[in-house]
Amino acid sequence: DSGVTQTPKHLITATGQRVTLRCSPRSGDLSVYWYQQSLDQGLQFLIQYYNGEERAKGNILERFSAQQFPDLHSELNLSSLELGDSALYFCASSVTGLAGGHEQFFGPGTRLTVL
Amino acid sequence: AQTVTQSQPEMSVQEAETVTLSCTYDTSENNYYLFWYKQPPSRQMILVIRQEAYKQQNATENRFSVNFQKAAKSFSLKISDSQLGDTAMYFCAFMPHQGGSEKLVFGKGTKLTVNP
Repeated sequence: DSGVTQTPKHLITATGQRVTLRCSPRSGDLSVYWYQQSLDQGLQFLIQYYNGEERAKGNILERFSAQQFPDLHSELNLSSLELGDSALYFCASSVTGLAGGHEQFFGPGTRLTVL
Repeated sequence: AQTVTQSQPEMSVQEAETVTLSCTYDTSENNYYLFWYKQPPSRQMILVIRQEAYKQQNATENRFSVNFQKAAKSFSLKISDSQLGDTAMYFCAFMPHQGGSEKLVFGKGTKLTVNP
């Protein structure tokens, strides 16, 4: 158990819909990262939040957005869903500092299926 | 942009034997970090080993060790005394040295099967 929790574990929805994925980081970790794992794209970094502020952005679609709340939990919002958005979405957390290179602890993932 | 290449999509090894997984990466940076993550059938991502680019000494964690060749931009993982529980996808990952921004760039993975 990494200490990172994600809900829900599975999500099945239809094209055009909107969903919200939730992540709670390990106690004490200020950074939250979102990754997408799909068969064709592999594991891709989407976005990082640090203590409530966006810190880095990857290949995140405009239809996707995220935020980190004062209690440090994070939500990833996916809208206007397409079949190609079906994937495993991971949240990870870490202690982030100027030194860099910190281990990221991954949650169990949310499996999203768009029908 | 950094890229990570794992040239072996699948590998297999007999229990108790040694196997080496390959990884190369491309970057213009001098300081960075490299990781190997394991993803068993449960889909959980688990850190196996971590290497700091400015350290010449290769990292080791019990049965897992790396061969880090900075000039060649190569970062292979050696698993000794392979166990059935080592069966998993293994991902090589690169992290640029940017304090406060620590995104991971992953390779496509190598599926390792340990046979009894």
